Order: sequence, then structure tokens, then C-alpha cells
Amino acid sequence: GAGVSQSPSNKVTEKGKDVELRCDPISGHTALYWYRQSLGQGLEFLIYFQGNSAPDKSGLPSDRFSAERTGGSVSTLTIQRTQQEDSAVYLCASSSMGGGTYQPQHFGDGTRLSIL
Amino acid sequence: GQQVMQIPQYQHVQEGEDFTTYCNSSTTLSNIQWYKQRPGGHPVFLIQLVKSGEVKKQKRLTFQFGEAKKNSSLHITATQTTDVGTYFCALTDSWGKLQFGAGTQVVVTP
Repeated sequence: GAGVSQSPSNKVTEKGKDVELRCDPISGHTALYWYRQSLGQGLEFLIYFQGNSAPDKSGLPSDRFSAERTGGSVSTLTIQRTQQEDSAVYLCASSSMGGGTYQPQHFGDGTRLSIL
Repeated sequence: GQQVMQIPQYQHVQEGEDFTTYCNSSTTLSNIQWYKQRPGGHPVFLIQLVKSGEVKKQKRLTFQFGEAKKNSSLHITATQTTDVGTYFCALTDSWGKLQFGAGTQVVVTP
């Protein structure tokens, strides 16, 4: 079946511009996560959605970062006034949640963001 | 919060050899997951360990959770070129959020 889909796969933009990254999770997966992967910082958690709510936003690095999820499905991560340190691969993952057990996360291919 | 240290950060293996990568924590863990990321790819779930002393096998991969639930290991026997990639251990919290270790990058020489 279809996996997690992310777009665009690559994004190059100038410093100071805003960018939007999209994630389409696996159908039926209620939990959605955003992570960031960069050479210096490894894999970092950004935000978690359960349905359309975000009970954990603790990983967002600054108020330039925001995310939303609509219809319990597609999520958008927005970075305003991009800085060079925002350059990274942004990964989205989804999982089914139930019964208090921890489900494996299924990752998309990511969006490689480069800030010039 | 809880953190895990992975060692080694880099592993160069001759094809056919065995190797082990370790994940250590100073606190007791409720569970641990392992992921593999191929070069240019995304993390792919391998296994989850929950019970003290748990051992799980997937073909040539053996995963173990320590008796005190403070460490975990991944042992690969008869390494193949398809084993190339970075192996991450990760903690989960009650939301399922993953906190990754730094990873062990594995390079295999034919």
C-alpha cells in the first residue's frame, strides 16, 4: 500500500523566505510526527500530532516554526523567515496508536531543505 | 530527559564478519526501538524490545534488551553489503515520540 508521502522532495530557497513542507501520512494513521535530520544534530523530534491536535510541540526550535494538521490527515510544516541553520532534511512519520502500546513509525523520504 | 548513547559511531566491517553495536542509558528504559537508514534513505523500523532480557532475531540480526533495561545491542552475523547503513536505537515516550541515539554508521568492505 501507499506509504508516507512528502513534498517537495527538495527545496532550495533564499534566506528570509518562508517555506511550506507537506506530509501525507499512511491512511488511517492517527499519529503523525515531524523530525529534522542534520549532520551536526542527528535526528531531532519537532512536533507530534494526534488527530488534528498537537499535544507535544516541544521540539520546535523557534517561533518561526509552526505546523498544522487538517482532517486528521495531511500536515504542513511552515518555516518563516528561513535561516541558514534551518538547512536539513525534514522527515515526517506516521503510526497507528492504540492500546497504550508503542507502534513502529513509518517514515517518508523527507524534504531536503537548503537555505542559500 | 532520558538519553541514549550509541557506540561505536562508526563501524568498518569486512564482508562475512560479525559486529555488534550498543545502545546505553543511565536510566531504566520502558522500551527501545531500532531503525536502519540506508545511505540517501529514510529510517526503517526493525524491531521493538520491551521486556527485561528480551532477545529477538531477524535472520542474521539479533537484538537484545539488557536485564536492567538500561542497554540494548544489535549483533549482525556474516555481514553482507546489504547491511550498509546507519543503525539507530530510539527511546519512545508516552506519546510515541522517538528520541534517537546518534547512530552507528556501518561500512562493509567486499
